[in-house]
Amino acid sequence: GQQVMQIPQYQHVQEGEDFTTYCNSSTTLSNIQWYKQRPGGHPVFLIQLVKSGEVKKQKRLTFQFGEAKKNSSLHITATQTTDVGTYFCAGPFGETSGSRLTFGEGTQLTVNP
Amino acid sequence: NAGVTQTPKFQVLKTGQSMTLQCAQDMNHEYMSWYRQDPGMGLRLIHYSVGAGITDQGEVPNGYNVSRSTTEDFPLRLLSAAPSQTSVYFCASSYGRPPLNTEAFFGQGTRLTVV
Repeated sequence: GQQVMQIPQYQHVQEGEDFTTYCNSSTTLSNIQWYKQRPGGHPVFLIQLVKSGEVKKQKRLTFQFGEAKKNSSLHITATQTTDVGTYFCAGPFGETSGSRLTFGEGTQLTVNP
Repeated sequence: NAGVTQTPKFQVLKTGQSMTLQCAQDMNHEYMSWYRQDPGMGLRLIHYSVGAGITDQGEVPNGYNVSRSTTEDFPLRLLSAAPSQTSVYFCASSYGRPPLNTEAFFGQGTRLTVV
């Protein structure tokens, strides 16, 4: 089964509210990635975090990698309707030195205007 | 630069039929993978390849075969289609292989329905 747990599965917000999705791994990760998938589209890469405790920002999006490199979060400040979509985290797993890129189940964000 | 190209975009199969989903990338990426996406289950890894001639199973490999004869192409074969294989299929590629993976580029997806 999935080794990357992501919560919540769904989130409905009013435009202007903040949004956070969390990603938890059962093992230490060498890196974690975040992707966004618009409805009917394909996943698009947002960012990659590598260092313990790393924090990166992209405009209204803030990404964090936990100190133990087992968890991560994506926070969106003041959501807009353009933020609608499903957000996935992904990490390298597998018996051979983490040779598989495994995705979480995703958080589907809807924004009411 | 085309990126990752998947064909076809849509396909309807009858139970028991076989078919091949095509995936090609023009970025000289060593790592390629196939995922299926079902509602509420995220992206599940079917098969992956770390280079030409090397493939391995992911989480849900049963009913699918792959091969990697060239760096560019990574076709996915459905041997005998079943309704449970109704899904959206994505091919992805990246320059680095996990755990030294870099940004993954996805194709547009193939929406497959098995009746």
